[in-house]
Amino acid sequence: KQEVTQIPAALSVPEGENLVLNCSFTDSAIYNLQWFRQDPGKGLTSLLLIQSSQREQTSGRLNASLDKSSGRSTLYIAASQPGDSATYLCAVKNQAGTALIFGKGTTLSVSS
Amino acid sequence: NAGVMQNPRHLVRRRGQEARLRCSPMKGHSHVYWYRQLPEEGLKFMVYLQKENIIDESGMPKERFSAEFPKEGPSILRIQQVVRGDSAAYFCASSPRSMGAYQETQYFGPGTRLLVL
Repeated sequence: KQEVTQIPAALSVPEGENLVLNCSFTDSAIYNLQWFRQDPGKGLTSLLLIQSSQREQTSGRLNASLDKSSGRSTLYIAASQPGDSATYLCAVKNQAGTALIFGKGTTLSVSS
Repeated sequence: NAGVMQNPRHLVRRRGQEARLRCSPMKGHSHVYWYRQLPEEGLKFMVYLQKENIIDESGMPKERFSAEFPKEGPSILRIQQVVRGDSAAYFCASSPRSMGAYQETQYFGPGTRLLVL
């Protein structure tokens, strides 16, 4: 049964720092991995989607990497800003391809 | 193009009452997914529906919970005889094609926060 774990659960950094969020999954047979952002009281916004054949994806200050063999993904945020404060979730498709399996998330706080 | 819409955004019910949560998918999307986020927990898949059909309900509790996605109108998640443990945020997502499609992703609504007193 696929399980997704995110470390750390919470992270506080000063503005301008580069940071890494970690995601691990137990079954390496994934279709793709996706990183989302969740703001308090809001829905989820998709940040990056990495297909199983890809090693990384970049969007602006965000870079996500995928190592299927070791069951790990990282989300790198460069030059963090207070507006980056949110909960970041990673998710993989279930084996049936019908739904997403989420980690519990990392809550990021960037202070100015 | 409006995003996924959910209403109500907040719902308060007393134990034993019924809760009805509505989800209107993005225009052109015929696949709907419901997730539940319990306090301090991650999002958990509940059910996947296509118009008029339940495709995967492996995450739905066996009792009191039901879902539908009629030919016309929004998808409805119905919880009968609510208990305090049902208090959670319920999120709906939609996609234009089946998630089995290689590059398909889901678009999430803002969620409905259910509080059971």
